Amino acid sequence: DQQVKQNSPSLSVQEGRISILNCDYTNSMFDYFLWYKKYPAEGPTFLISISSIKDKNEDGRFTVFLNKSAKHLSLHIVPSQPGDSAVYFCAASEYSGGGADGLTFGKGTHLIIQP
Amino acid sequence: EAGVAQSPRYKIIEKRQSVAFWCNPISGHATLYWYQQILGQGPKLLIQFQNNGVVDDSQLPKDRFSAERLKGVDSTLKIQPAKLEDSAVYLCASSKRVTDTEAFFGQGTRLTVV
Repeated sequence: DQQVKQNSPSLSVQEGRISILNCDYTNSMFDYFLWYKKYPAEGPTFLISISSIKDKNEDGRFTVFLNKSAKHLSLHIVPSQPGDSAVYFCAASEYSGGGADGLTFGKGTHLIIQP
Repeated sequence: EAGVAQSPRYKIIEKRQSVAFWCNPISGHATLYWYQQILGQGPKLLIQFQNNGVVDDSQLPKDRFSAERLKGVDSTLKIQPAKLEDSAVYLCASSKRVTDTEAFFGQGTRLTVV
């Protein structure tokens, strides 16, 4: 049973436009959500997180939106740049401060930024 | 600051052979994780250490997998004997505190079992 779902295996976006990556979850106990970015032959790198007490968190070009009632979160990248081409993993935990052992990852979405 | 170091980067072995992976976490990071990432899947936790003690190994297939972190710094993950389904990238990650949800990952070791 997949508790964190990223239904788009890949997404192609033109440089300068907005990239929107989606993530759905089924476990209502999830309370803290993270996005990781992964380049080929490298390990995942933490990008941005959001707690369930918020519905939005912003860091530069990256914004994460959380809709708890829909059990849905999304990562917006604007404007998209060539260096944003990577695989993006959505991850969820039952609580912040619980350590990375409680993380459940999605399968990832491969974002391709076209010039 | 140096990142999480892992070796080897790639390994190809035959089924039923044994293999070992090594990880050196970021200096000062007390918590160390080993994850398994099968192609097309997200990382899945295998084991978590706090210093040299095991915190969580509930998802480690203990009949064939073992891990240790004897001096609370470096760690090794061993598979013996390997099966075809063990083909995956093995990721080591570390964090300063056990409560840190955001961990720092190494580049991983890609294992192919033939």
